Amino acid sequence: NAGVTQTPKFQVLKTGQSMTLQCAQDMNHNSMYWYRQDPGMGLRLIYYSASEGTTDKGEVPNGYNVSRLNKREFSLRLESAAPSQTSVYFCASTRWEYQNGYTFGSGTRLTVV
Amino acid sequence: AQSVSQHNHHVILSEAASLELGCNYSYGGTVNLFWYVQYPGQHLQLLLKYFSGDPLVKGIKGFEAEFIKSKFSFNLRKPSVQWSDTAEYFCAVKGGGSGNTGKLIFGQGTTLQVKP
Repeated sequence: NAGVTQTPKFQVLKTGQSMTLQCAQDMNHNSMYWYRQDPGMGLRLIYYSASEGTTDKGEVPNGYNVSRLNKREFSLRLESAAPSQTSVYFCASTRWEYQNGYTFGSGTRLTVV
Repeated sequence: AQSVSQHNHHVILSEAASLELGCNYSYGGTVNLFWYVQYPGQHLQLLLKYFSGDPLVKGIKGFEAEFIKSKFSFNLRKPSVQWSDTAEYFCAVKGGGSGNTGKLIFGQGTTLQVKP
């Protein structure tokens, strides 16, 4: 099925460990996004990629890095995880010309202990 | 900077009651507006969207929203809620209108609990 695929779905890390969250879409979208969702704070943009080859910081980029590997894939890396990064992470993609808004992945629930 | 404010953080209704969730945004130019729904344990799904034209927008599952430009508002409504509407609802705005780049700014979300 067409959509946005995120892996893993769940992850527990120890403080200081690193990991990469993977995101891939197969809808010919050119823009991709990483958000984190925390209770009472809605979704906050971490990084985004308006098109292949470009990335930009969002509202809360500290502690994260991203890579737009190709048109389909956009990964989020935590180099040294901290408890404050415990959250649910969503990847989303869109092609604004389609006027359909975002399509979201199913999310990654990350716990840093 | 753009921002989105949802007035109600937690709403409790009985089945068949009418629903209105408030959403206001701050952006002086052309906007695209969205409402998303997140059912428990799931990802966000699009309920409805406004890009241009008729300011009264109809979405899935009987939801509608009205864009009032003068009030910078995009309130979500449903005449009669069902237990299955229990979910979290997010308003989002993209500034720059129908440009082909941009990002969504989300409100804090409103949790709707519908009692059977």
